[in-house]
Amino acid sequence: ILNVEQSPQSLHVQEGDSTNFTCSFPSSNFYALHWYRWETAKSPEALFVMTLNGDEKKKGRISATLNTKEGYSYLYIKGSQPEDSATYLCASVNFNKFYFGSGTKLNVKP
Amino acid sequence: DSGVTQTPKHLITATGQRVTLRCSPRSGDLSVYWYQQSLDQGLQFLIQYYNGEERAKGNILERFSAQQFPDLHSELNLSSLELGDSALYFCASSVVTGSEGETQYFGPGTRLLVL
Repeated sequence: ILNVEQSPQSLHVQEGDSTNFTCSFPSSNFYALHWYRWETAKSPEALFVMTLNGDEKKKGRISATLNTKEGYSYLYIKGSQPEDSATYLCASVNFNKFYFGSGTKLNVKP
Repeated sequence: DSGVTQTPKHLITATGQRVTLRCSPRSGDLSVYWYQQSLDQGLQFLIQYYNGEERAKGNILERFSAQQFPDLHSELNLSSLELGDSALYFCASSVVTGSEGETQYFGPGTRLLVL
């Protein structure tokens, strides 16, 4: 079993704050790193899929980076809004199997 | 709406029983994935199919089995159910498997309660 860790476990920020969280994964046999946004009572929604070391992806105010050599990915949210409140989940893919972290629960206060 | 459909939405059954969960992928998607989310655990990958063939197997119990049919819909069969099998079961689909840019689209899930 692959150990994927996310930190922090939860985060409370004010509207307008920028924030970031970490996903750590074993770098050996790495294939891809997925980020998801998961709102309560809904299904996970794909944010990014990254495969190459140094990859940077951006979607609106959310961006992510990938370091496959040291085994980590950062997710950044610029100018957080209340609608960004959700759990952010990462998954590392290894031999076609998905290994999920436990998520970072973000709460953005208006 | 992701385009992935799952039926039923809710299922209540008794220990020892067998149930079948169904998933229809987005039009054009060849890969189907099954996941389990239990109360005390995060999202667990169960199994993946690509164009009818099993592609990868995760933490799937021997009492569970799945298949993908020629029309690409998939079924997850859970047998000899135990209380601990109570969970939310998600299906996801993607266009391709094992390549860059594989984005998964999740269905709404089937909530299973074993009494």
